[in-house]
Amino acid sequence: GAVVSQHPSRVICKSGTSVKIECRSLDFQATTMFWYRQFPKQSLMLMATSNEGSKATYEQGVEKDKFLINHASLTLSTLTVTSAHPEDSSFYICSAREGTGVSPLHFGNGTRLTVT
Amino acid sequence: QKEVEQDPGPLSVPEGAIVSLNCTYSNSAFQYFMWYRQYSRKGPELLMYTYSSGNKEDGRFTAQVDKSSKYISLFIRDSQPSDSATYLCAMSAQNAGNMLTFGGGTRLMVKP
Repeated sequence: GAVVSQHPSRVICKSGTSVKIECRSLDFQATTMFWYRQFPKQSLMLMATSNEGSKATYEQGVEKDKFLINHASLTLSTLTVTSAHPEDSSFYICSAREGTGVSPLHFGNGTRLTVT
Repeated sequence: QKEVEQDPGPLSVPEGAIVSLNCTYSNSAFQYFMWYRQYSRKGPELLMYTYSSGNKEDGRFTAQVDKSSKYISLFIRDSQPSDSATYLCAMSAQNAGNMLTFGGGTRLMVKP
């Protein structure tokens, strides 16, 4: 099946620094990738839709200048959390769709970000 | 009211039991229905994917969709301790592009 690789799996950073998270589709091309955030014991909350070669689409309430998304190729999207603060500590998960149209999403294994 | 409702559990069952997990939804435009399994500190793993109403079976898993009642179910037969995880339902509408709406997840515990 389709594999989505996410790196790093865990990162601890100091307040004010920036953190980059990578999401790769390993055996398929993904023109669209999605970034989610998940708080403990809660469901996934869509943050933004990442489109290859164009600007990302952010959900309401998500600061685009804080969560920078770059989708430079058909197999790689990155999420950079800029000037991180403790409240940004969360589980970030990317996903990608194989093919076009409405088809199942495949998820990476997530990145646990802790900002101290 | 949330678009997709799912009992958070936890649901505790003995090994070998049949498990029934359910979601209700309010948006009649939803046509694509998915079930994901999420182990602790891992990303969701796609289990089942169905379109419109009907049943779909894959091994020990059966997904049912009743669009008239806006109700979907996932049945797990012969449950195993390794099935212990959080199960998320997700759905999308044909005109919603690539958007998925998730339920809150049900935590399942299968005791040996």
